[in-house]
Amino acid sequence: AQSVTQPDIHITVSEGASLELRCNYSYGATPYLFWYVQSPGQGLQLLLKYFSGDTLVQGIKGFEAEFKRSQSSFNLRKPSVHWSDAAEYFCAVGAIGGYQKVTFGTGTKLQVIP
Amino acid sequence: DAGVTQSPTHLIKTRGQHVTLRCSPISGHKSVSWYQQVLGQGPQFIFQYYEKEERGRGNFPDRFSARQFPNYSSELNVNALLLGDSALYLCASSSARQETQYFGPGTRLLVL
Repeated sequence: AQSVTQPDIHITVSEGASLELRCNYSYGATPYLFWYVQSPGQGLQLLLKYFSGDTLVQGIKGFEAEFKRSQSSFNLRKPSVHWSDAAEYFCAVGAIGGYQKVTFGTGTKLQVIP
Repeated sequence: DAGVTQSPTHLIKTRGQHVTLRCSPISGHKSVSWYQQVLGQGPQFIFQYYEKEERGRGNFPDRFSARQFPNYSSELNVNALLLGDSALYLCASSSARQETQYFGPGTRLLVL
């Protein structure tokens, strides 16, 4: 069964500092990997996705993520955080080639301080 | 293009009642999935429909059912509501050729 672990429930960073959110997945084959962001009371917005190819993926809002098969990780990074980045971030894994469910992690809540 | 739309935005029901939630996918998308997000947790998969057929089902009781219409819109029905059904219900659509799911704003259900 596929699963996702986001080990950090809550992270606080200063505005302008760099950010890395951790994500580890479990899946039997090459997965689809996603990062979504959710602002309070809102739905989920896709930040970026990895299907295949280049393991460094660029997304919207200046975010990037790196797929590391050997570590079963797909960490999200941003070089300089803005106050508007405060939100909850979800890593997710899905199956390739089928109409399968997407499994989400429990989320990491990001707080940005001035 | 319009994104995924869901109605209603908020809903209050009492235990034992029935509820119907509605979702319209992005134009051209033929797959709709439903997720339940309890406060403080990640979304949990309930159903996926493609071309009006159920393609996947999560670990939810039979009180939960869904259907997809010829125009690819979808309904999620929940019978005999329990307090624990209080959650944000998210709908996501995707095209047949890519797996990326795009989410709607959700319907927040409160069961009293």
